[in-house]
Amino acid sequence: TQLLEQSPQFLSIQEGENLTVYCNSSSVFSSLQWYRQEPGEGPVLLVTVVTGGEVKKLKRLTFQFGDARKDSSLHITAAQPGDTGLYLCAGDNKDDYKLSFGAGTTVTVRA
Amino acid sequence: ETGVTQTPRHLVMGMTNKKSLKCEQHLGHNAMYWYKQSAKKPLELMFVYNFKEQTENNSVPSRFSPECPNSSHLFLHLHTLQPEDSALYLCASSPAGEETQYFGPGTRLLVL
Repeated sequence: TQLLEQSPQFLSIQEGENLTVYCNSSSVFSSLQWYRQEPGEGPVLLVTVVTGGEVKKLKRLTFQFGDARKDSSLHITAAQPGDTGLYLCAGDNKDDYKLSFGAGTTVTVRA
Repeated sequence: ETGVTQTPRHLVMGMTNKKSLKCEQHLGHNAMYWYKQSAKKPLELMFVYNFKEQTENNSVPSRFSPECPNSSHLFLHLHTLQPEDSALYLCASSPAGEETQYFGPGTRLLVL
């Protein structure tokens, strides 16, 4: 199992502020995915990044894959209460198509 | 709605009970997964089925027994569980050979 470390573990901010969460590993991944999980629900895929150095934008969310494909970050601009949830990163090893998950960052956006 | 449903959504059972969790996917996927999610821990992959064949058993205790009768249905049979087995059990599916997984809402299990 390839370990993914996410930081911070918890993040509480005021509506309108920006935030960044990180996902780091010593392993190289073929691709990396970000999921958001709301209370009482399963994780929902936000984005998949594949190329080292890749940057993807999804409205106010910006995802970056490190050049060496070992780390990733998620930046949220002008956070809203609807962004509240558990953000999970997951790395894929093409050899077996299994995902290795981080423990997640719990984000709370206060109105 | 991700196309993956799980029942029941909540389950309370004693250590001597036998129960089953059910997962159904309507996406035409050929791979299905069981994960265990505990607080502050990464999702733990338990079992993987590809085209109804079990391809992964991640050192899961025998008190958890999976069953995959067809590509659309996946069960997790539970017996003589321990309190530390209390967790959210998530089912997921994916197209064969693809990394994107689609998760169900999970079953919140409490073992007393």
